[in-house]
Amino acid sequence: AQRVTQPEKLLSVFKGAPVELKCNYSYSGSPELFWYVQYSRQRLQLLLRHISRESIKGFTADLNKGETSFHLKKPFAQEEDSAMYYCVRAAGNKLTFGGGTRVLVKP
Amino acid sequence: DTAVSQTPKYLVTQMGNDKSIKCEQNLGHDTMYWYKQDSKKFLKIMFSYNNKELIINETVPNRFSPKSPDKAHLNLHINSLELGDSAVYFCASSQGGLSYNEQFFGPGTRLTVL
Repeated sequence: AQRVTQPEKLLSVFKGAPVELKCNYSYSGSPELFWYVQYSRQRLQLLLRHISRESIKGFTADLNKGETSFHLKKPFAQEEDSAMYYCVRAAGNKLTFGGGTRVLVKP
Repeated sequence: DTAVSQTPKYLVTQMGNDKSIKCEQNLGHDTMYWYKQDSKKFLKIMFSYNNKELIINETVPNRFSPKSPDKAHLNLHINSLELGDSAVYFCASSQGGLSYNEQFFGPGTRLTVL
C-alpha cells in the first residue's frame, strides 16, 4: 500500500525565517507527488505538483527519488503562510494524503 | 460562483440515526469523491464516482452508501451512526481520466455523533 509520511505535526517559525516541511513516500516506480494546503477558513487546495517544478507563493519542492522524499521549502516564511499542509501522492485520481503539518508563522 | 458545495456545513446527531450529506459541483467535472478527515486531521479517500459509476471504494463500512444521481451530484448516506463516524467529510471533484487531474474540494461537513 502506498504511504506518505509527514513526520512533523507542527512547525512554528518566525516571520522571515526559512521553513521546510518534510515528506517521505513509500517507494513504487515513478510517483506523482503534490502539496495541498488548507488556510484557515478556506478550502483545501493544490499548492504545487512535482512535475511542474515551479515555485508557488515562494514555495518549492524537489522530488528526491533516492531518498523517496518530496520536502517543501520556503526561504523566508510569511505570516500568511500559516496553514495546514498535506503531502499527497496520486495513483491516477486516487490521492493518498500524508498526516499533515501545521505551520505557524509568528510575527 | 463556480465551486464544490456541501450541505449541511454542520451536522449533530445521536448514535443510531441515519443522516445524509449532499455535494454538488458546477465545474463540469466527471469525477467526484468523498474524503473523511479524522480528529487528527488525517484525510482518507472513501469513495469516488466517475459519471455516476463507483470507481473507488476504500473498505468503508457498508453503513456508508454514496449515491450519484447525476455527474454533478454525489451524496453520502450514513446508516446507524456510530461515535467513530464523527469527523469532517469533504467532497471533491475533478476531470475524469486515468491520470491525475487536480481535485477541487468543498468546504467540508463537520459531523458530530453524540
